[in-house]
Amino acid sequence: KAGVTQTPRYLIKTRGQQVTLSCSPISGHRSVSWYQQTPGQGLQFLFEYFSETQRNKGNFPGRFSGRQFSNSRSEMNVSTLELGDSALYLCASSLFPTIGTDTQYFGPGTRLTVL
Amino acid sequence: SQQGEEDPQALSIQEGENATMNCSYKTSINNLQWYRQNSGRGLVHLILIRSNEREKHSGRLRVTLDTSKKSSSLLITASRAADTASYFCAPSGGSYIPTFGRGTSLIVHP
Repeated sequence: KAGVTQTPRYLIKTRGQQVTLSCSPISGHRSVSWYQQTPGQGLQFLFEYFSETQRNKGNFPGRFSGRQFSNSRSEMNVSTLELGDSALYLCASSLFPTIGTDTQYFGPGTRLTVL
Repeated sequence: SQQGEEDPQALSIQEGENATMNCSYKTSINNLQWYRQNSGRGLVHLILIRSNEREKHSGRLRVTLDTSKKSSSLLITASRAADTASYFCAPSGGSYIPTFGRGTSLIVHP
């Protein structure tokens, strides 16, 4: 089975712009979670989608949003980019929602740099 | 949600030695997972231990869980240079959202 894929792998944007990141889960997995990883804050949970519904959300401003499509692929969007949004954005998929204590499989991440 | 805190922040050992890293958390959990991350890449799941389990093994990995002390440890035996990575614990509580700590950076010198 193919693993979790994320596109693009690297992205450079300027402050004020918006960005959309994409995640394709492992075939058959219906849960997709997003995380932001920075040296200062570590790995922080953004949100989780299961069957096109957001089930959990982390403590991030409304500039961060996401959605999930019927084929379980997910996108996250960050509007009005700030320098502090520079980070590695990781997507993880699991068969069941995390509420089922299922193992998460991570993608390689998208490295976003905001100038 | 709650966050695990790994200790030490950094660990440097020689190939063949054992590596032990610890994780502490604050509130009750349903399970705790350990992950490995190679530099700048995604996380790889290592082990999940449930709150009613005390010890679990997987190859050269041994995880213990002490819910009374709200702590877990990950032991890597006979370490190899390829074990060089950051290791994260992720305790999950009532909401089951795994919440990661800052990780332990392990360097294994050949």
